[in-house]
Amino acid sequence: QKEVEQDPGPLSVPEGAIVSLNCTYSNSAFQYFMWYRQYSRKGPELLMYTYSSGNKEDGRFTAQVDKSSKYISLFIRDSQPSDSATYLCAMTNSGGYQKVTFGTGTKLQVIP
Amino acid sequence: DAGVTQSPTHLIKTRGQQVTLRCSPKSGHDTVSWYQQALGQGPQFIFQYYEEEERQRGNFPDRFSGHQFPNYSSELNVNALLLGDSALYLCASSLALRDSVGTLHFGNGTRLTVT
Repeated sequence: QKEVEQDPGPLSVPEGAIVSLNCTYSNSAFQYFMWYRQYSRKGPELLMYTYSSGNKEDGRFTAQVDKSSKYISLFIRDSQPSDSATYLCAMTNSGGYQKVTFGTGTKLQVIP
Repeated sequence: DAGVTQSPTHLIKTRGQQVTLRCSPKSGHDTVSWYQQALGQGPQFIFQYYEEEERQRGNFPDRFSGHQFPNYSSELNVNALLLGDSALYLCASSLALRDSVGTLHFGNGTRLTVT
């Protein structure tokens, strides 16, 4: 069983839709939770970064972490064609020298 | 302010050969991590270098080795290449913080094809 599970999709939505992306994990030591966006032929770029449980909002993006259920989510409001990319959840335990564990990534396509 | 730069961008090698990939971290960063991303998969942690030493290692064989130089740049070496080593190799830099987590800044990777 993988430490981090993520539905690979692909997920196709119309422009303006609300998108929900999710990951589950098994390692209770994970404390820091991240979402990265990866465009084709590019490296991942950090979107959101959350410590422990709770919600965090940044513009059209909202990240949620439920440590009791070992479940994290990313919501995208008013989705745009420019949001079409692969979204990777990632997590790590505490400490300055961290190994980050990634999910498989969910490929999202927003149709104009 | 330059971000993370990797070279070369593409590489084709034959089974059994050796390859060296290079990475320059983002300005101000002192830690370099290497990840392997197979097609359709998420990045897998290979190892991390800080202060010119390997600090953590993922589940990769000894054929994978690395080095960090005094200017914080890094190399990834892979010996005795296998077909399964074909992947996108990503370098990520960060700032080692004593009580916090330095988020990763990725380069655009080196696409390695082993034939």
